[in-house]
Amino acid sequence: GQNIDQPTEMTATEGAIVQINCTYQTSGFNGLFWYQQHAGEAPTFLSYNVLDGLEEKGRFSSFLSRSKGYSYLLLKELQMKDSASYLCAVGAAGNKLTFGGGTRVLVKP
Amino acid sequence: NAGVTQTPKFRVLKTGQSMTLLCAQDMNHEYMYWYRQDPGMGLRLIHYSVGEGTTAKGEVPDGYNVSRLKKQNFLLGLESAAPSQTSVYFCASSPFGQGVADQPQHFGDGTRLSIL
Repeated sequence: GQNIDQPTEMTATEGAIVQINCTYQTSGFNGLFWYQQHAGEAPTFLSYNVLDGLEEKGRFSSFLSRSKGYSYLLLKELQMKDSASYLCAVGAAGNKLTFGGGTRVLVKP
Repeated sequence: NAGVTQTPKFRVLKTGQSMTLLCAQDMNHEYMYWYRQDPGMGLRLIHYSVGEGTTAKGEVPDGYNVSRLKKQNFLLGLESAAPSQTSVYFCASSPFGQGVADQPQHFGDGTRLSIL
């Protein structure tokens, strides 16, 4: 079966750092994806990890530990526009994705 | 830069009515997907296709049918709509994965469907 857990909601201050954790137990693994979704909009791709370690993309970084079934998304220098839901998803055969419930991040001034 | 286009964007149906949601992509992607998104439940895969003429069931396929007659189009049908199918429906596409590495999926803007 597939089980992906991430916190429901997080609040942080503009300019701060927020870390969104994701733990997973899945029957297959072809990589871990993070998507950003603003309210009422489509999810957009942020990052992808298939090997253990840290991937950095500007203000966003994503980490993966396959042995622990664990990933996190790190958002630095938070901006108001970063207020959105962040979706953790595990890839499997056929390019299928299984999504977690999403973490809603609220950035306050 | 059309990407993935979904029509219609909004629709209200009565219980028992049928309708078809259309998804079109212009990126020559092999794979296409239909998801539904409900509050607090994330995105759930309904059906998917790994190529023209092929379809497969996802996590929540009951009450839906799909067809992929052309590579660029993926249709989702509701034969007899039920209030439980009120949701936001997203279509996505992705290129063929290289080896064991998957490729990111590109999403359409969604269809907001209400069943009364």
